[in-house]
Amino acid sequence: ETGVTQSPTHLIKTRGQQVTLRCSSQSGHNTVSWYQQALGQGPQFIFQYYREEENGRGNFPPRFSGLQFPNYSSELNVNALELDDSALYLCASSLAAGRDNSPLHFGNGTRLTVT
Amino acid sequence: GDSVTQMEGPVTLSEEAFLTINCTYTATGYPSLFWYVQYPGEGLQLLLKATKADDKGSNKGFEATYRKETTSFHLEKGSVQVSDSAVYFCASREGNQAGTALIFGKGTTLSVSS
Repeated sequence: ETGVTQSPTHLIKTRGQQVTLRCSSQSGHNTVSWYQQALGQGPQFIFQYYREEENGRGNFPPRFSGLQFPNYSSELNVNALELDDSALYLCASSLAAGRDNSPLHFGNGTRLTVT
Repeated sequence: GDSVTQMEGPVTLSEEAFLTINCTYTATGYPSLFWYVQYPGEGLQLLLKATKADDKGSNKGFEATYRKETTSFHLEKGSVQVSDSAVYFCASREGNQAGTALIFGKGTTLSVSS
């Protein structure tokens, strides 16, 4: 069973630039969610995708956007990067069947530094 | 809104000591409750969970009981090991619907020395 994999592991960008982070879901999982974990804080929910459509979103501005592909892999895009976007970005996959969600399985994250 | 509060760390213990990490939640309904662990350089791993009042989650010697009357889900372990050193996160999730986010506490760092 292949776990959740994220790429890249580390990334340095300049304020104002755009970034794309990638996530491959665990085999058999059809739902992916993204979390932002600032240093010393707990993860905060950005959004979730189920069958290629966004079906839940946290308190993040529209410059945070995402995609889910037919193979259930996912991308997180952040435009107009700000210094406060520096964080660990975590992807998690699960198997959602109707109203029921299985536990989330997290990847190791992408560490984004904005200078 | 819903929130999770857990005791601030760091918690420093000697091997074989008893561990308690306090966690309380606020919610409008009856959330599921979780403990996740994060080892250095890794993502979060589910440690245990409970989905209704009085349920006890347990795994790897860790336990937590869902207490509705005190809105708590404290993590305990009778005898910690050096390998338990990590950051522990308490989390809640309202209901079980697709698209429902996990709400995390700020995390508690545990350091166990031999």
